[in-house]
Amino acid sequence: GQNIDQPTEMTATEGAIVQINCTYQTSGFNGLFWYQQHAGEAPTFLSYNVLDGLEEKGRFSSFLSRSKGYSYLLLKELQMKDSASYLCVVMDSNYQLIWGAGTKLIIKP
Amino acid sequence: GAVVSQHPSRVICKSGTSVKIECRSLDFQATTMFWYRQFPKKSLMLMATSNEGSKATYEQGVEKDKFLINHASLTLSTLTVTSAHPEDSSFYICSAKTTSGEQETQYFGPGTRLLVL
Repeated sequence: GQNIDQPTEMTATEGAIVQINCTYQTSGFNGLFWYQQHAGEAPTFLSYNVLDGLEEKGRFSSFLSRSKGYSYLLLKELQMKDSASYLCVVMDSNYQLIWGAGTKLIIKP
Repeated sequence: GAVVSQHPSRVICKSGTSVKIECRSLDFQATTMFWYRQFPKKSLMLMATSNEGSKATYEQGVEKDKFLINHASLTLSTLTVTSAHPEDSSFYICSAKTTSGEQETQYFGPGTRLLVL
C-alpha cells in the first residue's frame, strides 16, 4: 500500500531551527509537496521537490532523496507564527496525491 | 488511519457538459467536508465547506450555481461542475473533518484531475 510517515507533533523554541522528516512508500513518484496549515485555514504551499537535493526558500528549505523515500522540511529562525501543521504530500505515478497526517509544530517563547 | 477517497480520479469531458466528483470518508463519519481547487504547484484554494444536511458555504468568488455541492450523508459529498469550460480544468481535492473529543482532524483525498476540452 501507499504510506506517508511523519511525526505527529514536534515542539521547538522561538529563534531555533527545526527539521520535520517525512518518509514515503508510494506507487511511483511525481514529486513531493510540503504544505503549511494553520487551524481553520486552507493549506498553504511551501515547496515542491521532484529531483534529489536541497531547495532553499527564505527561512524554509526542503530536501529530497528519492532513493531513500525521504524528505525533510527545515525551518530556521523560528517565529511564533510558524506554529501550524505541516503536511507532507507525495504525487504518485497516476498523479494522485498521497497525504501524510501532518506534523503539528508547537513553537514556545 | 482514516481514508478519504475520490471518484473519478481523472475525467476528460467536452465543454458544456457537467461532471460529478464524489468524495467519501471510508471508515469514519465526517460532519464537515471541504472542496479545494489546486493550481499548478500552488496553494489549495478553498472553494466551499459543506456540512451534512445543510447548504454548502461558498468562498468569495466561487459560483455556487456552477459548482454544486451536495453533502447527502456523513460519508459522502459530491461536487458537480455544471456546464464545464476549459478554464475549469484543474485538480479538485476534497477533505473530510472528524472530531474526537476536543481534537479535530482533517483528512485529504487523492484528488480528481478534470480536463475540459
